[in-house]
Amino acid sequence: DGGITQSPKYLFRKEGQNVTLSCEQNLNHDAMYWYRQDPGQGLRLIYYSQIVNDFQKGDIAEGYSVSREKKESFPLTVTSAQKNPTAFYLCASGGTANQETQYFGPGTRLLVL
Amino acid sequence: RKEVEQDPGPFNVPEGATVAFNCTYSNSASQSFFWYRQDCRKEPKLLMSVYSSGNEDGRFTAQLNRASQYISLLIRDSKLSDSATYLCVVNREGAGSYQLTFGKGTKLSVIP
Repeated sequence: DGGITQSPKYLFRKEGQNVTLSCEQNLNHDAMYWYRQDPGQGLRLIYYSQIVNDFQKGDIAEGYSVSREKKESFPLTVTSAQKNPTAFYLCASGGTANQETQYFGPGTRLLVL
Repeated sequence: RKEVEQDPGPFNVPEGATVAFNCTYSNSASQSFFWYRQDCRKEPKLLMSVYSSGNEDGRFTAQLNRASQYISLLIRDSKLSDSATYLCVVNREGAGSYQLTFGKGTKLSVIP
């Protein structure tokens, strides 16, 4: 099946802990994106990557880090510096000249214990 | 003016009704426009792109008014399965930028 996968579906973080959210795509898309969604809010862009080994900060990058070592993978680390990490995290791919539309993975819900 | 503004609803309509959602955007340089659908606690899924000439996909019709910076979505003959939140989405800058700005969404409930 072609698509975007995210894991885990639910993640619990303790105070002071870093956690990493996985995002994988087999759509051969160059661009990948991480968004955060809070209740009653629109999606907000955390980081994006237009090509392997390159990524850019979005609107709310503080407290997050990413890597893009492979075209298929774009993991997001939520660091202890992110003071309000509880949210629904969505990964997307696409959104370039050759693939204008962005397609989303099923998301990861992060909860702070 | 917010970047992408939508009426949050909820819109509660009976099955078979016609319902219209509106959206305004602030960036006059935006070139790409979309409607996404998001079911409760799920990821957004593309419903349709919006073209300058307007476009239709079955019961769904999207319109774009660049002069007024206004996008609309019309759903005819509403089904129970249409119940969801509808997100208006606009690209941020001129052609060549593929960062998207999402509205907060309009919630639709179709009632039997």
